[in-house]
Amino acid sequence: DTEVTQTPKHLVMGMTNKKSLKCEQHMGHRAMYWYKQKAKKPPELMFVYSYEKLSINESVPSRFSPECPNSSLLNLHLHALQPEDSALYLCASSQGVGGSYEQYFGPGTRLTVT
Amino acid sequence: GEDVEQSLFLSVREGDSSVINCTYTDSSSTYLYWYKQEPGAGLQLLTYIFSNMDMKQDQRLTVLLNKKDKHLSLRIADTQTGDSAIYFCAESSNAGNMLTFGGGTRLMVKP
Repeated sequence: DTEVTQTPKHLVMGMTNKKSLKCEQHMGHRAMYWYKQKAKKPPELMFVYSYEKLSINESVPSRFSPECPNSSLLNLHLHALQPEDSALYLCASSQGVGGSYEQYFGPGTRLTVT
Repeated sequence: GEDVEQSLFLSVREGDSSVINCTYTDSSSTYLYWYKQEPGAGLQLLTYIFSNMDMKQDQRLTVLLNKKDKHLSLRIADTQTGDSAIYFCAESSNAGNMLTFGGGTRLMVKP
């Protein structure tokens, strides 16, 4: 089983709302990632968690707040977003941290900020 | 920094072979991946190759790596309409876990 699940599939929120994206994997992977993907562009790395600790933050604005409650779950808390934050948000996981571990992606959450 | 380049678009007829090309600049690239993304979906890992290999075959997929020229290709044999998607190549090194993606190649398969 190489499945990463994400909820919700679609999300529309106003600029003053607070919402959360959820990601789950049951492959025993110890690294989890958030990516942002704009239309017709490759994914851009936002955050990396390794063994439930934040190991990489790619200078993401503080209106995006990641959380890793346990090794299977990864959340992305959203607050005071801007319309330009509208994108597909992808979660991924890998067995470990390092180039030799292939990343498996979830189906994404399509976010629209109005 | 690392740079990964792909052509934007490829159109083939159903039943033909497709070849999607990718070039990279980082000489320390050790792991090279191919992902497929269908409209509105996430990325599906298709295959990967280590830099100590020249070729890897997996059913209809053949990956060729020319390390000297830093050139990677993905050949899809007997291309089907279901293969229509965007294909991303990506590389990473031993040094870190960050993938560097190419811009993606949109493959259109005509019946």
